[in-house]
Amino acid sequence: EIQLVASGGGLVQPGTSLRLSCEASRFTFDDFAMHWARQAPGKDLEWVSGLTGYNGEEGYADSVKGRFTISRDNAKKSLYLQMNSLRPEDTALYYCGFSSGASAWAVDVWGQGTMVTVSS
Amino acid sequence: IQMTQSPFTLSASAGDRVTITCRASQSIRRTLAWYQKKPGKAPKLLIYEASRLGSGVPSRFSGSGSGTEFTLTVSSLQPDDFAAYYCQQYESYPWTFGQGTKVEF
Repeated sequence: EIQLVASGGGLVQPGTSLRLSCEASRFTFDDFAMHWARQAPGKDLEWVSGLTGYNGEEGYADSVKGRFTISRDNAKKSLYLQMNSLRPEDTALYYCGFSSGASAWAVDVWGQGTMVTVSS
Repeated sequence: IQMTQSPFTLSASAGDRVTITCRASQSIRRTLAWYQKKPGKAPKLLIYEASRLGSGVPSRFSGSGSGTEFTLTVSSLQPDDFAAYYCQQYESYPWTFGQGTKVEF
């Protein structure tokens, strides 16, 4: 069974930074597209960022563009989300996911979330 | 690309046939997925490529549409189907979800 384990969440003050990690197990990590999504308490799902495997193309939601950076380390089978200039509205449960290719480009596996709280 | 779902909430009973609609602000061909989301749990892929059933997903779920209009249908609602449902386009970055439909009993 493919597993994704997200970590790195916590309570931080507005304007600070945080880096989320997502470690994959039991599959060949290279070349798969990886994504982050989030859900704020009582709010809707929001796609945050994606990193296409074969060409390294990055994508960001307008709400995080310029503040968040997605990256990966294939050797460590890990995906990262560097979050800078955090705002209270970034408070959410963050999920990592990947597109295995079995479902076209759709994300077919999501890990459990890691909670980020931005508050003074 | 903006994704607009309707209705926002849907009240139904077990055994009902329910349909959720998703509209894209521009053509996305068939690059559309449907997810089921329960509080505190990871999203579950139900449908991809607008109409293809995800792995292990019960056949009571079905999807249709192309271009800008899409639907998710549950043929006979089960108690475990109480959840929120989201469409998502993956035609181009930034990917976007619809605002969700909450199915209530």
